[in-house]
Amino acid sequence: GQQLNQSPQSMFIQEGEDVSMNCTSSSIFNTWLWYKQDPGEGPVLLIALYKAGELTSNGRLTAQFGITRKDSFLNISASIPSDVGIYFCAGKLSSTTSGTYKYIFGTGTRLKVLA
Amino acid sequence: DAGVIQSPRHEVTEMGQEVTLRCKPISGHNSLFWYRQTMMRGLELLIYFNNNVPIDDSGMPEDRFSAKMPNASFSTLKIQPSEPRDSAVYFCASSLRGSSGNTIYFGEGSWLTVV
Repeated sequence: GQQLNQSPQSMFIQEGEDVSMNCTSSSIFNTWLWYKQDPGEGPVLLIALYKAGELTSNGRLTAQFGITRKDSFLNISASIPSDVGIYFCAGKLSSTTSGTYKYIFGTGTRLKVLA
Repeated sequence: DAGVIQSPRHEVTEMGQEVTLRCKPISGHNSLFWYRQTMMRGLELLIYFNNNVPIDDSGMPEDRFSAKMPNASFSTLKIQPSEPRDSAVYFCASSLRGSSGNTIYFGEGSWLTVV
């Protein structure tokens, strides 16, 4: 199936450090979503982006919708131990004929924070 | 507000048995998605419905998989007969088409093990 390229695949960081991750695609999306998944749980929405160039924050999280509409970035500032988990990006593909849509997910970034 | 509700949360079954996973979307949502998550392949879209109608089932791996949505508040994903390689976490997600960005919300997943 289709997937977005997400990097890095995993990262270990020290508590208090900033974190950056990104997603890229050969397809153009008109919505980007960022999710976090904790062990044993479903993905939970963190940030939604609807316009190219948009920069949106949610607490210590900031995400940007790339100008080309083919990429997106998520930054976490001053990381804390509870930031550990898997972060997924998702891009929305719309059908101009049927008016329906579906979301394609990135491969995930596994974040581990060292206290 | 109740989120997406999935059942069972966990199931262990023997190869060859029929498996039925259930989903209740968020009330008022008109799009429903079934995803499968594995370590190797990440989150894969299996099928999605809009207004109870299947729109794209190209992600369904084989004829052993089938999905139905008899009404706006219920969907099933069935595997018959099940095989060990079907072991994965199956997520149901829903969204409201027409709302800003059509953000999707996930259930907690059904963890399937086929032995």
